[in-house]
Amino acid sequence: DAKTTQPPSMDCAEGRAANLPCNHSTISGNEYVYWYRQIHSQGPQYIIHGLKNNETNEMASLIITEDRKSSTLILPHATLRDTAVYYCIVRASGGGADGLTFGKGTHLIIQP
Amino acid sequence: NAGVTQTPKFRILKIGQSMTLQCAQDMNHNYMYWYRQDPGMGLKLIYYSVGAGITDKGEVPNGYNVSRSTTEDFPLRLELAAPSQTSVYFCASSYRLLGAEEQYFGPGTRLTVT
Repeated sequence: DAKTTQPPSMDCAEGRAANLPCNHSTISGNEYVYWYRQIHSQGPQYIIHGLKNNETNEMASLIITEDRKSSTLILPHATLRDTAVYYCIVRASGGGADGLTFGKGTHLIIQP
Repeated sequence: NAGVTQTPKFRILKIGQSMTLQCAQDMNHNYMYWYRQDPGMGLKLIYYSVGAGITDKGEVPNGYNVSRSTTEDFPLRLELAAPSQTSVYFCASSYRLLGAEEQYFGPGTRLTVT
């Protein structure tokens, strides 16, 4: 699986959009981009994933650049409950029977 | 659905003791995983299973054993506990055929070995 690079921490004001970047310059054509988050002391929670196109669900939007070497997770109206560590993970489609590779992620702090 | 459940929530072991961390899921998922998370770090895969009766090692399997006799349950066994096994343990499950998968995580078991 390709390696990802994320900033260690970010701040965002409550009510504003939080934009979390992720670099995955060695991504392969069959690898998805996944985002998970982990609120303090809880298990990780799936947010969204994408392959080529931008994706949106009830939690967030995922913007993937055309060359697929980077992506941005957008939380449109951040709340205090969005304070968490956010993990960007790249993983091949259906493949590798093993688990997810978690780096250190980005610690997003939502400020009141 | 209860999702992924783990017991116990907390446990303190003495060096050399053994214990089993329980994990169950009620979503009929074929894949199950055990991860550990040390303070300030990301999760590391210990063992995984692609279905009942099939298990395989992950990145950090030493000191642990698993079994998968049913689709629902995936217990993790610690033999001869060591301080290095002090960590938070997360169980996860997913349904995978081809394409993308979404892993569902349990609430974790916080283990201290002293």
